[in-house]
Amino acid sequence: QKEVEQNSGPLSVPEGAIASLNCTYSDRGSQSFFWYRQYSGKSPELIMSIYSNGDKEDGRFTAQLNKASQYVSLLIRDSQPSDSATYLCAVKTSYDKVIFGPGTSLSVIP
Amino acid sequence: EAGVAQSPRYKIIEKRQSVAFWCNPISGHATLYWYQQILGQGPKLLIQFQNNGVVDDSQLPKDRFSAERLKGVDSTLKIQPAKLEDSAVYLCASSGSGTLGGEQFFGPGTRLTVL
Repeated sequence: QKEVEQNSGPLSVPEGAIASLNCTYSDRGSQSFFWYRQYSGKSPELIMSIYSNGDKEDGRFTAQLNKASQYVSLLIRDSQPSDSATYLCAVKTSYDKVIFGPGTSLSVIP
Repeated sequence: EAGVAQSPRYKIIEKRQSVAFWCNPISGHATLYWYQQILGQGPKLLIQFQNNGVVDDSQLPKDRFSAERLKGVDSTLKIQPAKLEDSAVYLCASSGSGTLGGEQFFGPGTRLTVL
């Protein structure tokens, strides 16, 4: 089992729709979770971090964490073409390593 | 606040040659990371420094890769000799001690092509 897995893409959504990106992790003791956005040819950029169960909202982005089920998700409301990118889930494990998932490519269709 | 600086941005070399990359983290950030990112994959950690000490280098191919962080500030990553499979983007990131989980800030990366 891979340490951090993400739903396979590419994911295509129409402009204005909600994009849902999912991530599961294997280390039950993980405490810190991050979403990074990476545009083609650019480096990753941190967009959300979450540490507690529940939802965390920042503008059009909502991160959701469920430690019991070992998953974390990112919802993007009112998706825009500028949201088209690869979204990387990263998990800081109980042994103090940050592990990145393979990423999910999102395409928002105008 | 200046971001993470990396150089060069692009490098093309032939296999068996050597290459070096440089990174200057955000001022005051104690933790520095080097990642290798192959097209279509997530970043893979090569080495993590805390100040000038190595925290994790378990995935660094030590027969050909080396890294140092003298004085706990900037860092260099070297490959000698390079192989075709080393073609990738090499990312440097840093994080500060004040972050709970180590939010990382990435430099622009160095795109390496090995011919």
